Amino acid sequence: AQSVTQLGSHVSVSEGALVLLRCNYSSSVPPYLFWYVQYPNQGLQLLLKYTTGATLVKGINGFEAEFKKSETSFHLTKPSAHMSDAAEYFCAVSGGGNFNKFYFGSGTKLNVKP
Amino acid sequence: DGGITQSPKYLFRKEGQNVTLSCEQNLNHDAMYWYRQDPGQGLRLIYYSQIVNDFQKGDIAEGYSVSREKKESFPLTVTSAQKNPTAFYLCASSIRGGRAGNEQFFGPGTRLTVL
Repeated sequence: AQSVTQLGSHVSVSEGALVLLRCNYSSSVPPYLFWYVQYPNQGLQLLLKYTTGATLVKGINGFEAEFKKSETSFHLTKPSAHMSDAAEYFCAVSGGGNFNKFYFGSGTKLNVKP
Repeated sequence: DGGITQSPKYLFRKEGQNVTLSCEQNLNHDAMYWYRQDPGQGLRLIYYSQIVNDFQKGDIAEGYSVSREKKESFPLTVTSAQKNPTAFYLCASSIRGGRAGNEQFFGPGTRLTVL
């Protein structure tokens, strides 16, 4: 079985500060991991994904995430927050089974203060 | 431009009515999905289809129905049997449904409100 836990439903940072959004997963098979961003009343946009290979993954808009198997984590970071980063972020895991089922976390809303 | 379109963006329904949400993709993807999003609950899978003329129930299929007559189209009907249909509905697609790791591409969503 697979699942995702996102710690912190709301995170608030100041503009220019480090962004850290936490994601822990549970998977009985090697996981494929994703981070998506959602702006209000819009669909989800892929930020980055981990499939195999390098454990530090770089995505769009300056975000990156590191796959840590020993910690079953895939935390999302950005060195310096911009006002435009304010959105909701979802972590997802897929893998195993007979179709590409995604298991989503409950989301983290990021607020960026000026 | 390739992508996924959903219509309408906003939909209002009276209790007891069935409504159909449209989802079209021109990405030539085999697999398509419908999700329901409620505040604080993430995304929950309603139905998915890996290939034309085939679809499977997801985690919360009760009160919903789908069809997949064409590769590019996957409409969702919210029936009167769905007891709490007010939500944001998202359609997604991926290049192949049977292979884990393929990213899912999402449409802009339809917000359904029951009056």
